[in-house]
Amino acid sequence: AQKITQTQPGMFVQEKEAVTLDCTYDTSDPSYGLFWYKQPSSGEMIFLIYQGSYDQQNATEGRYSLNFQKARKSANLVISASQLGDSAMYFCAIHALRSNDYKLSFGAGTTVTVRA
Amino acid sequence: DTGVSQNPRHKITKRGQNVTFRCDPISEHNRLYWYRQTLGQGPEFLTYFQNEAQLEKSRLLSDRFSAERPKGSFSTLEIQRTEQGDSAMYLCASSLGAGVTDTQYFGPGTRLTVL
Repeated sequence: AQKITQTQPGMFVQEKEAVTLDCTYDTSDPSYGLFWYKQPSSGEMIFLIYQGSYDQQNATEGRYSLNFQKARKSANLVISASQLGDSAMYFCAIHALRSNDYKLSFGAGTTVTVRA
Repeated sequence: DTGVSQNPRHKITKRGQNVTFRCDPISEHNRLYWYRQTLGQGPEFLTYFQNEAQLEKSRLLSDRFSAERPKGSFSTLEIQRTEQGDSAMYLCASSLGAGVTDTQYFGPGTRLTVL
């Protein structure tokens, strides 16, 4: 079984500044994948970035980067140069990388509000 | 639009009624997932299909819930004898089912309100 913990229920960030969202995980699987999704008020879950447990380098995708610390079981998301459109709920999720078990386990999410 | 689509977007029903939701995955995606999300929480896994085969069901999926994916294309999720506790957002996702990453792409969801 996998478990995700997101301890920050809400965060405020000034436009153009960077923000770090915390995510810690627990899993007994040796291979796993970590995902971050964005959920605006419209409700749709938007895929942002992926990190595999076997990846040697931290994932980056545009303004999103992942601070992956395997020994600490953390996968924090960094959003650089925040924009007003970044205001949303952000979810960290994990799945095991084994056959027929790709279901995602999500954390409770962190609400980000970007101030002008 | 080639993304995941879900219908209806909103459904209001009275307790005890049956409801059915539809999900159309991204074409050529052979895995399809259903999740349920209650207010202020992250999505919780309900069930998933590999092509037309339903490979896993969560304990959250009581006997009142049934899901199908005939011919491995669209999927339906039916809830019989709805209860107020069924009020939630029902999210569908699909993935290619190939490669290590197998990213899931979500639809806009169906928001169910049971009165």
